[in-house]
Amino acid sequence: EAGVAQSPRYKIIEKRQSVAFWCNPISGHATLYWYQQILGQGPKLLIQFQNNGVVDDSQLPKDRFSAERLKGVDSTLKIQPAKLEDSAVYLCASSEVRNNEQFFGPGTRLTVL
Amino acid sequence: QKEVEQNSGPLSVPEGAIASLNCTYSDRGSQSFFWYRQYSGKSPELIMSIYSNGDKEDGRFTAQLNKASQYVSLLIRDSQPSDSATYLCAVKTSYDKVIFGPGTSLSVIP
Repeated sequence: EAGVAQSPRYKIIEKRQSVAFWCNPISGHATLYWYQQILGQGPKLLIQFQNNGVVDDSQLPKDRFSAERLKGVDSTLKIQPAKLEDSAVYLCASSEVRNNEQFFGPGTRLTVL
Repeated sequence: QKEVEQNSGPLSVPEGAIASLNCTYSDRGSQSFFWYRQYSGKSPELIMSIYSNGDKEDGRFTAQLNKASQYVSLLIRDSQPSDSATYLCAVKTSYDKVIFGPGTSLSVIP
């Protein structure tokens, strides 16, 4: 069974530029999560989808972050414009609807200069 | 009060000893609890989930849940250097949100 795929693995941008991350969940997993993890901290949920609907985006900075999950499968997370404090690892995870046992992708390490 | 709390560590144990990792949570209605392991530079991987009071064992790992005390722990028996990692506690709250704790760093000394 293929795991959660993410790309790119690394990205370096300058502040005020835009960036997009892509995630493809495990086949059959209806729930998809995007997390931000800053070094030394636990993952912080940015947005949770179930199929193509948003379940929770209460911690998503909506003035600069956006996410979509068209067709209820893969998803993109965008930051525009980026700030220095957005430097972090962005993790995508997926789970079945019946439980919250999440499987994580390898993450994207973003550096904003 | 933070929703999910863990001792940040680092916790150091000698090889072969029992490592005990602790987690407390604030939402009394929480029903599902998870332990993840995260190696440096890697993403979290699920070790165990527990839903009922008591102990759940899987190999060298035992998760313990006490809902009355709002406390969940992870015991690692016969600790190995390969167990050195950060251990994340995650809790599904009564309002259907999964909250991660800050993690406890474990170092197993050969």
